[in-house]
Amino acid sequence: EVQVVESGGGLVQPGGSLRLSCAASGFSFSDHYMDWVRQAPGKGLEWVGRSRNKANSYTTLYAASVKGRFTISRDDSKNSLYLQMNSLNTEDTAVYYCVRSVNYGPRFTLDYWGQGTLVTVSS
Amino acid sequence: DIQMTQSPSSLSASVGDRVTITCRASQGISNYLAWFQQKPGKAPKSLIYDASSLQSGVPSRFSGSGSGTEFTLTISSLQPEDFATYYCQHYDSYPLTFGQGTKLEIK
Repeated sequence: EVQVVESGGGLVQPGGSLRLSCAASGFSFSDHYMDWVRQAPGKGLEWVGRSRNKANSYTTLYAASVKGRFTISRDDSKNSLYLQMNSLNTEDTAVYYCVRSVNYGPRFTLDYWGQGTLVTVSS
Repeated sequence: DIQMTQSPSSLSASVGDRVTITCRASQGISNYLAWFQQKPGKAPKSLIYDASSLQSGVPSRFSGSGSGTEFTLTISSLQPEDFATYYCQHYDSYPLTFGQGTKLEIK
């Protein structure tokens, strides 16, 4: 069974940092692109960024709203994905989802979602 | 960035009804469109990819169509468990973007 489980959320002050983790199981993690998507309270979904797989040099892509502040990394030996978040502000308050991506053709679509972890940025 | 616009933003319907949700892209995205269902307090669930292909385990009452800039999600006969918020999302280019969501409520 495919599972992705996020952890590491919590309360952080503006300007602070936090590192989220995502533990994956039930599939070949190293073969897959992995994404982070967030959802502010009562709002819609916002793509945060993507980690490509080893075959694609582990390249990362980011939304403009987080570029330069957030860093996605992965450890295939631990089947884990990470999101390092720096210089946090109140607009970063959201549930953060770890999502597996899969390609049925030349593009990659999101398929399995974790349950999410809540990050609250407040003084 | 490609903007995704869903209509309607909310919809009231009854069990057994046929409902259609529309999603428009600000530029052509071929068929690189997905639909997700989200229930309150839960993670989104993938329903459809490539505009019309059902994810494994998704009931056949769900269907998707479209290409280019206009897409639809149709539920042929609403069931009680279908009342939720639905999001479209393109994956043709970066950044990936979502529609604002359509809340499907019980009439």
